[in-house]
Parts: sequence; structure tokens; C-alpha cells
Amino acid sequence: AQSVTQPDARVTVSEGASLQLRCKYSYSGTPYLFWYVQYPRQGLQLLLKYYSGDPVVQGVNGFEAEFIKSNSSFHLRKASVHWSDSAVYFCAVSPNSAGNKLTFGIGTRVLVRP
Amino acid sequence: ETAVFQTPNYHVTQVGNEVSFNCKQTLGHDTMYWYKQDSKKLLKIMFSYNNKQLIVNETVPRRFSPQSSDKAHLNLRIKSVEPEDSAVYLCASSPGQGGERLFFGHGTKLSVL
Repeated sequence: AQSVTQPDARVTVSEGASLQLRCKYSYSGTPYLFWYVQYPRQGLQLLLKYYSGDPVVQGVNGFEAEFIKSNSSFHLRKASVHWSDSAVYFCAVSPNSAGNKLTFGIGTRVLVRP
Repeated sequence: ETAVFQTPNYHVTQVGNEVSFNCKQTLGHDTMYWYKQDSKKLLKIMFSYNNKQLIVNETVPRRFSPQSSDKAHLNLRIKSVEPEDSAVYLCASSPGQGGERLFFGHGTKLSVL
């Protein structure tokens, strides 16, 4: 069985500060890892995904995530946040790259203060 | 663009009864999903349909059966509910099969007494 833990329900940061959102996964096979963002009143949008290769994955809007196998982690980072980054961020794991068998974490709500 | 609509919002029933949940999306998407949110608030895929065809069927008990009349509708029937079926069931849709963009309904909360 696969599962995802996002330990931080809410994170508040100031505009221009760096951001890290934590994600730990549990899966016995080769994990395929995803980060999604949900802006207010919108659906979930894929930010980035990791299948193999370079453990640091670049996504849209300056986001990146690092896969650390030894720690079973896939934390999301951004060097300098903007107020428009306020949203809910979901980490997800899947047994395949197709993204159609996802298990999502509970999400982390990010508030960026001006 | 509108959304993904689920009915009912809540349903309370007794062990052994049959329940049906409806889901309709007006986004013109090709793919629809049913997810179950467990007690730890994790969302886990149950089924996925693309253009009325079943493409993903995770390891769920046989008493669960999805039904799709057209690509805009994906219903979920549970033949004989068990206490462990108490959960929130979420319907979702996406334009393609890759999960690039996912739109969720508000969920149907099932309580089995």
C-alpha cells in the first residue's frame, strides 16, 4: 500500500522569503512522485513530477522538489515566494508514471503575507 | 467552465444496504475518477474511466461497482455496505488520462451504522 504524509497543515511565510513544504511517502516499489497546487476556487494543477534520474526536479513558477530515497522524502521548495503562491499544495505518490493511480496527502495550506 | 457535481452530500445507512452516489462533470473532460478519503485523510484512487471505459480498477472490494452512461457521468454503487465503507468519496475529472489537471467534487460522506 502507498501513503503520503504532509506533516504541516498550514504554513505562513512573508513575500520574498523561501518556502519548503515537507512530504514523506511510503511505497514498497519504485515511487512516482507528484506535487499539485490548488489555487482558490480552481482544480488541482500539476506542479512537477519525479520518475527517475536527477533527484532535483524543476517545476513551473520557480518550484523544485528533491527526491531523497534514503529519507523517503520529496520536499517542495521555492527560493522566493510571491503573494500569488498562496494556495493548497498536495503531494502524491503513484505506482506508475501515468498519474492515474494517485494517492494524495492531506495538503498544506500556504499563506504568503505581503 | 463549471465543475464537478456530486450527490448526495451525505448519506447515512445501515450495514448490508445498497447505496448509489452520482457524479456529473460539465467540464467536457474525458476522464473521471472515484477516490476514497480514508480516516487519515489520504485520498486513494478507486476507479478511473476514460470515455466511458474503465481504465483503472484498484484493489477495492467487489461490492463496489462504478457505472458510466457517458463521459460526463460516473456513478458509484456499493451493493452491501460494511462499516469500513464509512468515508468521504470524491469524484474527479481531468481533460486527459495523465492527471495533469484534476478537478474534484465536494465529496459524499457515507456513514454506515
